[in-house]
Amino acid sequence: QQQVKQSPQSLIVQKGGISIINCAYENTAFDYFPWYQQFPGKGPALLIAIRPDVSEKKEGRFTISFNKSAKQFSLHIMDSQPGDSATYFCAATGNQFYFGTGTSLTVIP
Amino acid sequence: DTEVTQTPKHLVMGMTNKKSLKCEQHMGHRAMYWYKQKAKKPPELMFVYSYEKLSINESVPSRFSPECPNSSLLNLHLHALQPEDSALYLCASSRRGWADQYNSPLHFGNGTRLTVT
Repeated sequence: QQQVKQSPQSLIVQKGGISIINCAYENTAFDYFPWYQQFPGKGPALLIAIRPDVSEKKEGRFTISFNKSAKQFSLHIMDSQPGDSATYFCAATGNQFYFGTGTSLTVIP
Repeated sequence: DTEVTQTPKHLVMGMTNKKSLKCEQHMGHRAMYWYKQKAKKPPELMFVYSYEKLSINESVPSRFSPECPNSSLLNLHLHALQPEDSALYLCASSRRGWADQYNSPLHFGNGTRLTVT
C-alpha cells in the first residue's frame, strides 16, 4: 500500500515557469514532510521540509504548501531553471519514513 | 559534497564474487540506513541500524549482509548476487534513532552504482 501518493510522474516546464508537484497521504500520524531532489548519479538531497502545524514554507524559489484537512501537500518551484531538472520525491515520516513515487522534472530553456 | 560518504562509487561484480560497500558519517547521527534504488523509482529500505543495533531488516535476501562496526560506519557485504540486484545502493543517516524519527530528515550519500554480471 502506497503511503504517499505523488503526481505527476513527469513534468515539463518552460524556463521561468512554475513547477508544481503534488502529494497526498492518509496516515494522520505523519508529522514531518520533506522534499528531496535527486540528480542523475547522485543521492537524494533534502530540499525543503514542513511540519503540519504550518500551512506554507518558503525557501528561495521553493515553496511547500500544506493542507492538513485535505491531507495534501505540494512543492512549487517558482521561476524554474534548467538546473532544476531532476527527480523530486516527497516523503512523510512519523516513526517510519515513506517516499512518494517521484516526479521527473524537465525545465526547457 | 554530502556529509555521508560512500565507497566505492561504482562496482561491477560477478555472481560468485564477494564484495563490500562502505558508508561513513561524522555528524553524530544515531541511525544509519541502507536503501536500494532502481532507475526512476524511490529508494527502498533494506536495513536500519539504530544506536549500532540492527533494528529493521526489510526481508532482504541473505546474500546481503549488513554490519555496523561503530556509530560512524556502516558496511553492506555482498555475496552471490543476482543480475536483478544491479541498482544504486544508498546509505543514509538520521540524527535520531529509528524509533524517534519525528522531524528527523534522512541525509543520503551519493550511492554505489552496482552492476552484477
